[in-house]
Amino acid sequence: AQKVTQAQTEISVVEKEDVTLDCVYETRDTTYYLFWYKQPPSGELVFLIRRNSFDEQNEISGRYSWNFQKSTSSFNFTITASQVVDSAVYFCALSAGPASGGSYIPTFGRGTSLIVHP
Amino acid sequence: DAGITQSPRHKVTETGTPVTLRCHQTENHRYMYWYRQDPGHGLRLIHYSYGVKDTDKGEVSDGYSVSRSKTEDFLLTLESATSSQTSVYFCAIRTRRGAEIDTQYFGPGTRLTVL
Repeated sequence: AQKVTQAQTEISVVEKEDVTLDCVYETRDTTYYLFWYKQPPSGELVFLIRRNSFDEQNEISGRYSWNFQKSTSSFNFTITASQVVDSAVYFCALSAGPASGGSYIPTFGRGTSLIVHP
Repeated sequence: DAGITQSPRHKVTETGTPVTLRCHQTENHRYMYWYRQDPGHGLRLIHYSYGVKDTDKGEVSDGYSVSRSKTEDFLLTLESATSSQTSVYFCAIRTRRGAEIDTQYFGPGTRLTVL
């Protein structure tokens, strides 16, 4: 069975601080995908990133960066110099990958609510 | 934007009434999903479809049924709504092409209140 744990239910920071959202996962699949989604106060779910299990290269996109470590089963998300517009609930998710024969249905974590104060 | 719309966007209904939510997509995606989102539970899968007339249950399917008579529409029906089905419902598709293959993209959501 797959499991995604986002231990931080809520994080509060002041604008311009760096913040890291943790995601720890469990899976028996040999290949898998990891995802991050953002849900701003307006309610829509916005896809941020997908990472294949065979690609442990970290990724940076502007102020966002992701650190994938298979050794610790973690896929953490860092926002550098946070802004008020980053305030949202962030979800980490895991699905079977292309070689595992799985159903590709993601398992979602319960989300981390990030509040960025001006 | 994966071309997904949901209707209605908001609905208030009474216990015991039937409710149908519609998900419409314009990009010919084969896989479609219905989730509900509740505080403290994150996103939970209700039903999904892997083609026209091909559907399967998710982890919280009791009290819900689905239908997919054409590729672009995936309907979620609450046969007799209960207050426990008050929730935000999201439809999603799974891409099968492009750089982000096997990624789910979500519709805007439907907020359902059952009184």
